[in-house]
Amino acid sequence: QVQLQESGPGLVKPSGTLSLTCAVSGGSISSTNWWSWVRQPPGTGLEWIGEIYHSGSTNYNPSLKSRVTISVDKSKNQFSLKLNSVTAADTAVYYCATNVPYYMDVWGKGTTVTVSS
Amino acid sequence: EIVLTQSPGTLSLSPGERATLSCRASQSVSSSYLAWYQQKPGQAPRLLIYGASSRATGIPDRFSGSASGTDFTLTISRLEPEDFAMYYCQQYGPSPLYTFGQGTKLEIK
Repeated sequence: QVQLQESGPGLVKPSGTLSLTCAVSGGSISSTNWWSWVRQPPGTGLEWIGEIYHSGSTNYNPSLKSRVTISVDKSKNQFSLKLNSVTAADTAVYYCATNVPYYMDVWGKGTTVTVSS
Repeated sequence: EIVLTQSPGTLSLSPGERATLSCRASQSVSSSYLAWYQQKPGQAPRLLIYGASSRATGIPDRFSGSASGTDFTLTISRLEPEDFAMYYCQQYGPSPLYTFGQGTKLEIK
């Protein structure tokens, strides 16, 4: 069974760049799955950020597209999220997940990112 | 963008009772593209139902899903203490590819 683990700084300054990595274990990132990032602001619901395929093809949520880059590193079996020009509204728990497709069947435990000076 | 509206916002029931959670789509959604998740405090969402009515691996058969037009329903036949949580529906479709409902909180009465 694939397992996912998010990592990255828990605190980012306003106007800075949020950078997170999701390590994939128990399976290959070069499988037929797509790999997603989802976030959840405190006390609210889930928002899909975007996804990547091992070929490097990406799809993004239009609401975030101008600020988001998702990349894949097949040699390390991981994928990454960069979100630039962050504000307090980007404070959230960030999850990585795998799509099979149409739904997300494996999720990481999530990592909390706070945007604050 | 397809908007998913879940109701009720909060559902208060007792263990052993039947729970019915609703998810209504603003436009037509293929049943193949509708999923349900359970989320407990401090945990990641867990896939319960995919394709509107198929249970994910390891999900007890007291959980079931159904669809009728743009209306989707998650039913828990007899509530167990561990079932009290947040529930989200999710659709795959036009941009953005994935959207979630705002959630239903299932709480102990």
